[in-house]
Amino acid sequence: EVQLVESGGGLVQPGGSLRLSCAASGFTFSSYALNWVRQAPGRGLEWLSYIGPGSSGDTYYADSVKGRFTISRDNAENSLYLRMNSLRDEDTAVYYCARDIADCSGGTCYEIRFDYWGRGTQVTVSS
Amino acid sequence: EIVLTQSPGTLSLSPGERATLSCRASESVSSSYLVWYQQKPGQAPRLLIYGASRRATGIPDRFSGSGSGTDFILTINRLEPEDFAVYYCQQYGTSPRYTFGQGTKLEIK
Repeated sequence: EVQLVESGGGLVQPGGSLRLSCAASGFTFSSYALNWVRQAPGRGLEWLSYIGPGSSGDTYYADSVKGRFTISRDNAENSLYLRMNSLRDEDTAVYYCARDIADCSGGTCYEIRFDYWGRGTQVTVSS
Repeated sequence: EIVLTQSPGTLSLSPGERATLSCRASESVSSSYLVWYQQKPGQAPRLLIYGASRRATGIPDRFSGSGSGTDFILTINRLEPEDFAVYYCQQYGTSPRYTFGQGTKLEIK
C-alpha cells in the first residue's frame, strides 16, 4: 500500500526556517517524481515544488517560493524534504506531499497526475 | 501562466441530481494534462479524473470528465451523499509547472 506521511510542521516566527519531511512507503521511491502542495486556511490548493525521479532529479518551483524553499530527496531513506527559509505570514498552510505519475513514451509524458497524497502537516508562521 | 477558472464557486444540489462543474483555461490546454481532484473537509485531495476523461482507479462511473482546448467539464451523475465536497481542476504546463483552479464547492441543497 502506497503511503506518504508528512512531518516537521509547527509554529515558527516570521523570518524563520523549517524543514518538512515526507516519508514514503509501498512503492519504489527513487522511480517517482514528487511534489509539495499547500493549502492556506479556507483557500484552494497551491502547487509549490517538483522534484524528478532518480538521484539528481530536476527541480521546479512556484514563483511564490522560489529562492526561499528548496526541495530535495533521499532515495536511501525513501524521504522527500522541503527546506523553507525566510518564512512569511502568508506561508501559513497545510503542506502536502504528492506522488507524480505519468504515462511516458518516446521521451514525452502524458496524463500527468498526482495519484497519492499525504495527509499534510500544518505550518503556522506567526509572531 | 495559464489560469484555470472554475465555475460555479458553489453548487447546491440534492442527492440523486446531476452536477456539472466547469473548468476554463486562459489558454488552450492539452487534454492529456487536465486533471480533477476531490477534497473533503480535513482530508487530502483525491485523484478523480486524469487526461480530462480517464477515471482513476476505484472512482465510480457516475464521475465523468470531458472537454478540450480551454473548456473542461466534470459531471457527477446521481449524486450520492459522499460526493458533496470541493472539486479542483489542475493542469500541467511550463511555468509554473502546475496550476490549480480555485475550486468548486458542491453542497447539499
